[in-house]
Amino acid sequence: DAGVIQSPRHEVTEMGQEVTLRCKPISGHNSLFWYRQTMMRGLELLIYFNNNVPIDDSGMPEDRFSAKMPNASFSTLKIQPSEPRDSAVYFCASRRTSRDEQFFGPGTRLTVL
Amino acid sequence: AQRVTQPEKLLSVFKGAPVELKCNYSYSGSPELFWYVQYSRQRLQLLLRHISRESIKGFTADLNKGETSFHLKKPFAQEEDSAMYYCALRAGSSNTGKLIFGQGTTLQVKP
Repeated sequence: DAGVIQSPRHEVTEMGQEVTLRCKPISGHNSLFWYRQTMMRGLELLIYFNNNVPIDDSGMPEDRFSAKMPNASFSTLKIQPSEPRDSAVYFCASRRTSRDEQFFGPGTRLTVL
Repeated sequence: AQRVTQPEKLLSVFKGAPVELKCNYSYSGSPELFWYVQYSRQRLQLLLRHISRESIKGFTADLNKGETSFHLKKPFAQEEDSAMYYCALRAGSSNTGKLIFGQGTTLQVKP
């Protein structure tokens, strides 16, 4: 298994543009998580899904952020419009059950100019 | 409120010196605590969990409920231990099982 797959690995965009980050969880995993990592705030949970259903989106910063999981093998995190303060590394993670370890993807480094 | 605090952003030690990365938590129930590690250019990965009571790569961590701490320790640091370390809390009774992470501590082991 290739583990959790994220794309793109790096994204540079201009303020105001739409950004879409993608994640493919490990096959058979029922939960998927989106995190944001910054120097100032460390690792923050944005949203997570259980069986493709959003369970907790209290960490989503504002309405500019949205996430979807149309099926068990794919999720997107969208920022529209993007702002420079959104610059961060965005991680996706998945796990098999609520008692299991989370496996992280390699992250997407987003830079908004 | 559930919270994890790692007071040190950066910890720098010499090779062979003891290491202690501090982690304190705030949670009213019975917590599960974890340490995750992120080596340079690698994915974040689980290092150890308190319920396992194991030693991984020479690291140990003991849950101290009285002090609400879960400090990560290693008696003799190695250069390959240089990485970012995150302490995380999972609410024990929650059926959601989401993790709450601290801000992370960068460990730098100098030769």
